Amino acid sequence: QLHLQESGPGLVKPSETLALTCTVSGGSINSSSYYWAWVRQPPGKGLEWMASIYYSGSISYNPSLKSRITISTDTSKSQYSLKLSSVTAADTAIYFCATEGTYFDMRNWGQGTLVTVSS
Amino acid sequence: SYVLTQPPSVSVAPGKTATITCGGHNIGSKSVHWYQQKPGQAPVLVIYFDRDRPSGIPERFSGSTSVNMATLTITRVEAGDEADYFCQVWDGSTGYRVFGGGTKLTVL
Repeated sequence: QLHLQESGPGLVKPSETLALTCTVSGGSINSSSYYWAWVRQPPGKGLEWMASIYYSGSISYNPSLKSRITISTDTSKSQYSLKLSSVTAADTAIYFCATEGTYFDMRNWGQGTLVTVSS
Repeated sequence: SYVLTQPPSVSVAPGKTATITCGGHNIGSKSVHWYQQKPGQAPVLVIYFDRDRPSGIPERFSGSTSVNMATLTITRVEAGDEADYFCQVWDGSTGYRVFGGGTKLTVL
């Protein structure tokens, strides 16, 4: 059973870059069985898919974030990462990492980490 | 961009059947997934590929689709089913993943 754990700062200043890492255990980040995704949820609101990456390096970004977002993997550490630049208060959210299966269903989720954008 | 529309709220009495809809253009041609999210927790996949249940999800949860609508049905509703439910698809034309706005299920 895959286990995902998000980590990163809980507070980011406006205009700065938000950087989060998801550590994967119980499976290989090089596996062809999964895409690795980031999803966020502003307080009291719905889920928003942000980005996904495949072991081959194939990447898909939410078009609403495409100019500010980068997703990458570090296979040596069994981690994948998210960077979101030029953040504003609207980027305050719980950020989840998740795996996607064959049908792009998100079967495994991290517990989520709250990131607040504030000076 | 592709849009999924869910009712903001659904209420149901214990023991009855809850129906949560997810509307989208030609959604019947896509694979639809459903998630349950309880307060303070990560979402949990309850239905994938339109109608399949992951292991551990009760048979009371089922999914179906028609041309422009997907439906999550929960029979014999229990108090523990009270949660937010989200539908999600993969838009093959763009590669984007899309979530519906979510439906809050209230058990009366």
